[in-house]
Amino acid sequence: VQLVESGGGLVQPGRSLRLSCAVSGLTFRDYAMHWVRQAPGKGLEWVSGISWIGGSIGYADSVKGRFTISRDNAQKSLYLEMKSLRAEDTALYYCAKGRRDSIYGLDVWGQGTTVSVSS
Amino acid sequence: QSVLTQPPSASGTPGQRVTISCSGGSSNIGSNTVNWYQQLPGSAPKLLSYNDNQRPSGVPDRFSGSKSGSSASLAISGLQSEDEADYFCAAWDDSLNGYVFGSGTKVTVL
Repeated sequence: VQLVESGGGLVQPGRSLRLSCAVSGLTFRDYAMHWVRQAPGKGLEWVSGISWIGGSIGYADSVKGRFTISRDNAQKSLYLEMKSLRAEDTALYYCAKGRRDSIYGLDVWGQGTTVSVSS
Repeated sequence: QSVLTQPPSASGTPGQRVTISCSGGSSNIGSNTVNWYQQLPGSAPKLLSYNDNQRPSGVPDRFSGSKSGSSASLAISGLQSEDEADYFCAAWDDSLNGYVFGSGTKVTVL
């Protein structure tokens, strides 16, 4: 099982970025998926999650209205569209898979993609 | 500041038992299950315990999660040098309508 994030980079405040997570080695459509971020030297922060068919979606208050999570089960990919980026969004963004018996038990993680928001 | 409170640090000598606490409230730990993660330096987090006290396949039985009321704990028995890492508790919060992580506890093996 492998999760590979991409799309991170350096972006100016107020601009947009789209992260992707390519999943292999499992039946992607069977699992809830999440984005979790970690600011430099800080703890973990759940950003967003999406159910197996995308019918249920949640966001942290810190990103609500600015970030949009989506998935393409045919492409086995998870996405995070980030708009109106702020300096405080600077972090390593992880893609993670939920368990069937615990959708927030995140049992497989990617290595992360770094987002830096700075002028 | 997280709604789940963990001590910033814990330590023990090899072979000892170390317990990490995670204190929450009625909207999170008190009404939802708790998960625990280990993050080794420079690595992605790893799920150690889910649904309060279940261990994923491959996690040594030295690690055990428990919960009582609005608090949870992770016990590490037979502490080993490779257990030196950051540990995070997490739970769904009904008031915040989001999944919250504790602030993390850094475990040092003396």
